[in-house]
Amino acid sequence: ETVMTQSPVTLSVSPGEGATLSCRASQSVSSNLAWYQQKHGQAPRLLIYGASTRATGIPARFSGSGSGTEFTLTISSLQSEDFAVYYCQQYYYWPQTFGGGTKVEIK
Amino acid sequence: QVQLQESGPGLVKPSQTLSLTCTVSGVSISNGGYYWSWIRQPAGRGLEWIGRVDADGGTHQNPSLQSRVTLSVDTSKNQFSLILSSVTAADTAVYYCARAYNYDFTWFDLWGQGSLVTVST
Repeated sequence: ETVMTQSPVTLSVSPGEGATLSCRASQSVSSNLAWYQQKHGQAPRLLIYGASTRATGIPARFSGSGSGTEFTLTISSLQSEDFAVYYCQQYYYWPQTFGGGTKVEIK
Repeated sequence: QVQLQESGPGLVKPSQTLSLTCTVSGVSISNGGYYWSWIRQPAGRGLEWIGRVDADGGTHQNPSLQSRVTLSVDTSKNQFSLILSSVTAADTAVYYCARAYNYDFTWFDLWGQGSLVTVST
C-alpha cells in the first residue's frame, strides 16, 4: 500500500497570511494526487486533482504543485473559511490512500 | 444538482453486519461514467477507502477489508450499498459515499454528508 505522509500535522496561520502544506508519497504516483478540504462535521470537499488542477468553484488562492513523490498545496492568503483540515490522496495505486491530514488553525 | 445521501442504522452490535445505502439524486447511476465508492473515517482520524461499484455491478475493494465487504448497486432505485460483516469496535466510523469519474486514475469529486455508525453492545 502506498503511504501518504503529510506535514506539518498542525499549521498555525494568521488570516491574510499564506500557508504551504506538504504531502509525500512512499512511491511515485506521477501526478495522480488530489487535495481535499474538510471542515468540522462536514464531508471532504475536492480542491485539487491531477496535482495542480483546481476543481470547479475553487478559488484561485488555492494552488497545487508537484509530481512523483513530493506535492504541495499552497493557500496564498487565508480567509476565515479556509481554516480546516486538508488531506492529500493518491489514486495511482490500489488501494487509493489518503494522508493523515494537516490542520490549518488560526494563529 | 447532484447529491449523495447515506442512510442506515447508527448502531450495530459487535460480530453483526453493518448495512448502508447511498441514494443518488440529480444523475442516473445507470447512465454510467462514474464509479460509486464508500470511504470511512474513524473519529479524529484519517480517511480509508473501502471500495467501489460501477453501474454494471463491477466492484473493487480495499484488500484490508475485502473478505468482509460486499458492494452492490440498484439502478432502479438509483442507489448503491455497502455491507460489512463481522464488525468490531474498530469499524466505528463516519461512513461516506462518494462519486468518482470512471477513468483509470480517478479522484472523488462529490461526497455525501456522512453517516456515523457505532459498533457497540
